[in-house]
Amino acid sequence: ETGVTQTPRHLVMGMTNKKSLKCEQHLGHNAMYWYKQSAKKPLELMFVYNFKEQTENNSVPSRFSPECPNSSHLFLHLHTLQPEDSALYLCASSQDRRQKGEKLFFGSGTQLSVL
Amino acid sequence: QQQVKQSPQSLIVQKGGISIINCAYENTAFDYFPWYQQFPGKGPALLIAIRPDVSEKKEGRFTISFNKSAKQFSLHIMDSQPGDSATYFCAASRRAGNTGKLIFGQGTTLQVKP
Repeated sequence: ETGVTQTPRHLVMGMTNKKSLKCEQHLGHNAMYWYKQSAKKPLELMFVYNFKEQTENNSVPSRFSPECPNSSHLFLHLHTLQPEDSALYLCASSQDRRQKGEKLFFGSGTQLSVL
Repeated sequence: QQQVKQSPQSLIVQKGGISIINCAYENTAFDYFPWYQQFPGKGPALLIAIRPDVSEKKEGRFTISFNKSAKQFSLHIMDSQPGDSATYFCAASRRAGNTGKLIFGQGTTLQVKP
């Protein structure tokens, strides 16, 4: 157990559905991240939050909407997704951006299938 | 210039053998090079990391070799065990203003045969 919990573990949704992914960290970290992991591709950074403020949006389509109400919780709201958005979505946390070369702690991910 | 290229894509090694995974980068501003290990159904976990001021770092059976002039680094797993079977990702980032923006390689799936 890494201290980063993601729910749900699996999600199947239609292209017109709206769903949310949830991430919670119990490590006292102040930075949280969303990564996308597709088969045979490198992990892609999507969003970074540091002390609840978004500090990075890696040109992610607006059908993905992140929310960080506090340093322990991170959400990814999904709407009108495309089949190519099917992937493993990983949440991670770390101390904060001022820590040089900080270690990322990943959750187990949500395996998303868009039909 | 932001890419990290990793090879091979997959690797099969006999138990007790040496597993070697290679990565190459272009951006000379990168100064932190971690390796992450991912088991099926789990997220990646930091395995070992190196900074460019040293050429080698060893932790148990895992060793990173770093060649700054060639802009390459590699992971060596000595005495490979079936429990090492996983996907391995190299990554790179800049320390200055680091926001956890690791650039990952494509991953290498390692299978260690008993």
